[in-house]
Amino acid sequence: DAGVIQSPRHEVTEMGQEVTLRCKPISGHNSLFWYRQTMMRGLELLIYFNNNVPIDDSGMPEDRFSAKMPNASFSTLKIQPSEPRDSAVYFCASTSRWNTEAFFGQGTRLTVV
Amino acid sequence: GENVEQHPSTLSVQEGDSAVIKCTYSDSASNYFPWYKQELGKRPQLIIDIRSNVGEKKDQRIAVTLNKTAKHFSLHITETQPEDSAVYFCAATTNNAGNMLTFGGGTRLMVKP
Repeated sequence: DAGVIQSPRHEVTEMGQEVTLRCKPISGHNSLFWYRQTMMRGLELLIYFNNNVPIDDSGMPEDRFSAKMPNASFSTLKIQPSEPRDSAVYFCASTSRWNTEAFFGQGTRLTVV
Repeated sequence: GENVEQHPSTLSVQEGDSAVIKCTYSDSASNYFPWYKQELGKRPQLIIDIRSNVGEKKDQRIAVTLNKTAKHFSLHITETQPEDSAVYFCAATTNNAGNMLTFGGGTRLMVKP
């Protein structure tokens, strides 16, 4: 397996634009997590899906952020409209029901100018 | 919800010395405590973990200890090497939380040759 795959690796966008980050979890994993990493706030959990259903989205900062998981092999995190303070590295991670280890994707470095 | 505190935020040691990173957690129901290592520009990767039914676990030069009563756990690295330089994150979760990890703020370890 190629591991958790995220795209794009880097994204630079202007304030006010819509940004969509994509994630493909490891095949067979049933839980998917979106994290945001900044120097100031460390690794923050944004949202957690189990069997494609959002279980906990209490970490989503505001209504500008939304996430979907239409099937077991794909998830998106959307920011609309984007703001400079959204600049961060966004990680997707997945786990299986038989193993508690979380496998992270390479991350998407988002810069909003 | 769970809150994980991690100390110190930065740690500098001489090659060959030992390094200790400490974490405390708030939710007494937490029962799984992994440690992740993140090298510069890379994704976090699991290096060792411990469950609440075990007090200590070792893997070569790294070890973790857990004190459930005090709700704290620690990472010990012996005979540090320059390649140990990275940011280390502790985390906590419960099985009931579906492996939804709450991370500490991270410790930047620098091993000087």
